[in-house]
Order: sequence, then structure tokens, then C-alpha cells
Amino acid sequence: GIQVEQSPPDLILQEGANSTLRCNFSDSVNNLQWFHQNPWGQLINLFYIPSGTKQNGRLSATTVATERYSLLYISSSQTTDSGVYFCAGHNAGNMLTFGGGTRLMVKP
Amino acid sequence: SQTIHQWPATLVQPVGSPLSLECTVEGTSNPNLYWYRQAAGRGLQLLFYSVGIGQISSEVPQNLSASRPQDRQFILSSKKLLLSDSGFYLCAWRGQIEAFFGQGTRLTVV
Repeated sequence: GIQVEQSPPDLILQEGANSTLRCNFSDSVNNLQWFHQNPWGQLINLFYIPSGTKQNGRLSATTVATERYSLLYISSSQTTDSGVYFCAGHNAGNMLTFGGGTRLMVKP
Repeated sequence: SQTIHQWPATLVQPVGSPLSLECTVEGTSNPNLYWYRQAAGRGLQLLFYSVGIGQISSEVPQNLSASRPQDRQFILSSKKLLLSDSGFYLCAWRGQIEAFFGQGTRLTVV
């Protein structure tokens, strides 16, 4: 089955700092998404990134499918970036499996 | 554009009572549909997914069941709730590419 692992589990940053979140996935994963869960529980789509690099404002993501990992970069962090970040992998059987998440707290 | 509706937003139910959570998707056809549960603010556990009407796959033995009576409707049910069924329930849909989530239902069983 699909296996997705995230690190670190918890991260505390000072506002303005940069960070890198990592997602390792098994070889049965053929597509990858990153989500941000806000304090109200809503899951916000950040990136759909099966391979390569994408950028959206202060966030960017890179997936190296051949080495089965993806990275989410947050630059110049803000307090509104706080929450839990999830990566999730799709497989050919339509399953969507989540990693355990990285809980980020950005302090003012 | 596609939208997903999930209700209710919050629910408090006594132990032993039935449950019915509904999720509907608009603006797409034949989506893959998913139910997840999140406990203790971390980790989403896949409960059920469906690739078509009447087709339900269960990932974890539960006190719960799911049904897909229409193409864009996905229902999560229980005949008798347990305390351990408390949690945050999320419905999601996926077309050809990425998955999108509903607002979630926070269920408290008392």
C-alpha cells in the first residue's frame, strides 16, 4: 500500500524565518499534493506536484519522483502560515493517503 | 467551477444514536469521493472511498458505513455511535488531477 512520511512533526519559527518541510513516499505513489490545514480545520490546496518545482508567492515545492520525496519551502514566514501541513500521495488505485503532518507555529 | 458541500459543520450526538453525514459535489461528473477522519488534530485516516455509484471501498473496519446513492452524493452513516467515533470528518472529491476537501464536520459523541 501507499506509505507517506513527513518530517519534522513539529516546527517553531520566528516570523520572517525560512523553513523546509519534507515528505517521503513509497514507490506506489504516482502523484503528490501539499495541503495547509488552518486553525478552523479547513484543508487548503497548496500544490499538486507529481514532479518538478512550482512556486506560489512565498511558498514553493519540489518533487523528485525518482528519489520518492517532496519538499515544501516556506520563505519569510508569517504568523498566518501557522497550522498543519500535509502531503498526500495518490496511487493508481485511486487511494489518497496522507502523511502524519508537520505542525508549524510561527511566533511574532 | 466545482464545489463540495458537507454538512452539518458541528454535531453533538449521544452514544448509541444513529449518524448520517452528507457530502455533495457540484460541477463535475463521476468524481472519486472520499471520507476521512481526523482525531486529536493530526493525521487523516482514510475511511471509505468510491469510484462510482454503489461502489464503496472500506479501508478500516469501523462502526461506520458509507453509501453513494447518486453520482455526486456520498453519505457516511452509523447505526449506533460510540464515544470513539468522535472526531473531525472530512469529505473529499477528486477528478482527473487533484483532490479537494469540504469544510468538515466536527462530531462529538457524548
